[in-house]
Amino acid sequence: GAVVSQHPSWVICKSGTSVKIECRSLDFQATTMFWYRQFPKKSLMLMATSNEGSKATYEQGVEKDKFLINHASLTLSTLTVTSAHPEDSSFYICSATVAGNPYEQYFGPGTRLTVT
Amino acid sequence: EDQVTQSPEALRLQEGESSSLNCSYTVSGLRGLFWYRQDPGKGPEFLFTLYSAGEEKEKERLKATLTKKESFLHITAPKPEDSATYLCAVQAPGYNKLIFGAGTRLAVHP
Repeated sequence: GAVVSQHPSWVICKSGTSVKIECRSLDFQATTMFWYRQFPKKSLMLMATSNEGSKATYEQGVEKDKFLINHASLTLSTLTVTSAHPEDSSFYICSATVAGNPYEQYFGPGTRLTVT
Repeated sequence: EDQVTQSPEALRLQEGESSSLNCSYTVSGLRGLFWYRQDPGKGPEFLFTLYSAGEEKEKERLKATLTKKESFLHITAPKPEDSATYLCAVQAPGYNKLIFGAGTRLAVHP
């Protein structure tokens, strides 16, 4: 149980374009979803926390107009990287918490974004 | 400031050579401490949650322990398939976000 999927698993886009990453909870309803960014050989950096039907809460230093997060349902959250630049290239990972247990996060497999 | 420090940064073991990974933390009240395993190019895989000092949890060759200042992940008789990065994270009261350490990259050689 508690499976989280991400789509796509990898994407290459050109500078200036936007790219959308989906995060889905497959077998449970996710009250809260989190978006992380990870650089090579570095740990996970929390970007934002989103609750279904509410605006996302962004961490300090994360541009909310650049990283648009939508949490439209209890099983789907999307991260859109707008006007992507090469420095946005990274590994993006989402996680979700199960309703009734807000403490344990289950992670998706990640999405590798490369901006050329 | 809430902080998590993991050591060593990297660890190389021979198959069967037991060892421990350390996770030191400073947090204003600990709600929970979490251990994850991450394989290259994959998302973290949940291993354990520890909530209070003195608590221990085991899973196959792994055993996690918790004190008021640190947690240890003991690996007994590791196998090559245990090679991965092990991440430690803490959660403080008042919010449910995780603060991650940088991880320990474990390599187990036959």
